[in-house]
Amino acid sequence: AQSVTQPDIHITVSEGASLELRCNYSYGATPYLFWYVQSPGQGLQLLLKYFSGDTLVQGIKGFEAEFKRSQSSFNLRKPSVHWSDAAEYFCAVGARVGSQGNLIFGKGTKLSVKP
Amino acid sequence: GAGVSQSPSNKVTEKGKDVELRCDPISGHTALYWYRQSLGQGLEFLIYFQGNSAPDKSGLPSDRFSAERTGGSVSTLTIQRTQQEDSAVYLCASSIPGPMAPLHFGNGTRLTVT
Repeated sequence: AQSVTQPDIHITVSEGASLELRCNYSYGATPYLFWYVQSPGQGLQLLLKYFSGDTLVQGIKGFEAEFKRSQSSFNLRKPSVHWSDAAEYFCAVGARVGSQGNLIFGKGTKLSVKP
Repeated sequence: GAGVSQSPSNKVTEKGKDVELRCDPISGHTALYWYRQSLGQGLEFLIYFQGNSAPDKSGLPSDRFSAERTGGSVSTLTIQRTQQEDSAVYLCASSIPGPMAPLHFGNGTRLTVT
């Protein structure tokens, strides 16, 4: 069965510093991969997604993620963090076949940004 | 346009009571999902509706949980005989068909069982 692991529960970075949030997945075939962000008091919003093609995908708000099949990873990165990036970030893997369109989410990584 | 709307935004109920949570998806979105978000547990899939197909109920944690979707639009999640462990934020999401279609989430219903 597919699963997603986000090893870091909470990360704190200084504003302007670079960021990398880790995500590892378990899936038997090429997965659909997603990153969502949940800002305080707001619903989840899609940052970016990957299925095939270029393994480096660009998303909104200056985020990018790189798919590495050999490491079963899909880490999220941002070169320079802004205070408004403080939120909880969820990695998710999607089923490809059948009527099951559900996403399996990781437990999330909470990002705090120091001024 | 309007996003996914959930009501109520907060619900406090006594243990043993039944509750109904409502979700209004984005117009035209044929796929509808319910998730549960507990502190430190991420998002737990509950149920998925796609058009007129039989729903995927594989995530419902017990037979106290049920959901229906009337007319392919509004959905209601019902929890019977609530327990304290049911306390969580219940999130609804909708999308167009397809595994790569992004999910549009509502702001959720925070359920507290006392």
